[in-house]
Amino acid sequence: AAGVIQSPRHLIKEKRETATLKCYPIPRHDTVYWYQQGPGQDPQFLISFYEKMQSDKGSIPDRFSAQQFSDYHSELNMSSLELGDSALYFCASSLATAGSYEQYFGPGTRLTVT
Amino acid sequence: DQQVKQNSPSLSVQEGRISILNCDYTNSMFDYFLWYKKYPAEGPTFLISISSIKDKNEDGRFTVFLNKSAKHLSLHIVPSQPGDSAVYFCAAEVQGGKLIFGQGTELSVKP
Repeated sequence: AAGVIQSPRHLIKEKRETATLKCYPIPRHDTVYWYQQGPGQDPQFLISFYEKMQSDKGSIPDRFSAQQFSDYHSELNMSSLELGDSALYFCASSLATAGSYEQYFGPGTRLTVT
Repeated sequence: DQQVKQNSPSLSVQEGRISILNCDYTNSMFDYFLWYKKYPAEGPTFLISISSIKDKNEDGRFTVFLNKSAKHLSLHIVPSQPGDSAVYFCAAEVQGGKLIFGQGTELSVKP
């Protein structure tokens, strides 16, 4: 079965650079979530989209923005990168219209800011 | 403020025995809970969930118990297998669908 795809899997950037992370949800899933997991921490919710509209927002810095496109893939854009942005970034998708709360996660993008 | 808590950072169990992973939550409005398993360098994998209208849900070797009055849930794995060794996260679904995770418990199943 198709899973959530994230690219790139690894990304190394310098401080003050920008980064774009991509997420391709499971086909026919209508909701995408982004989470950030710092070293030794639990995943923290950043932002979500339902049917291409932002549905919820968590502790996402103003330097970050995200969108969901017409093909349902999503991109997380990160600017003015800081050392503290180094983390694993997970994308998850679900089928909200089916009343399912289960989110299926991608493998993550490991971002390292030097 | 940690709304979902897994107070045991690690657990070691012998193969074939029962593994019990615990999770506590503070918000009585939470009404849907999920358990995820995570291997290093992979994303969390959904294991099992439970709605607050139930007190037990079973799927093969995995059973989740929910005690609403105590705001406590637990995941039982019987029998435990070495391949179950991973980090287990408890999560609560909040309005809008986002998940609030616990800190995780690293389970080690020894042959």
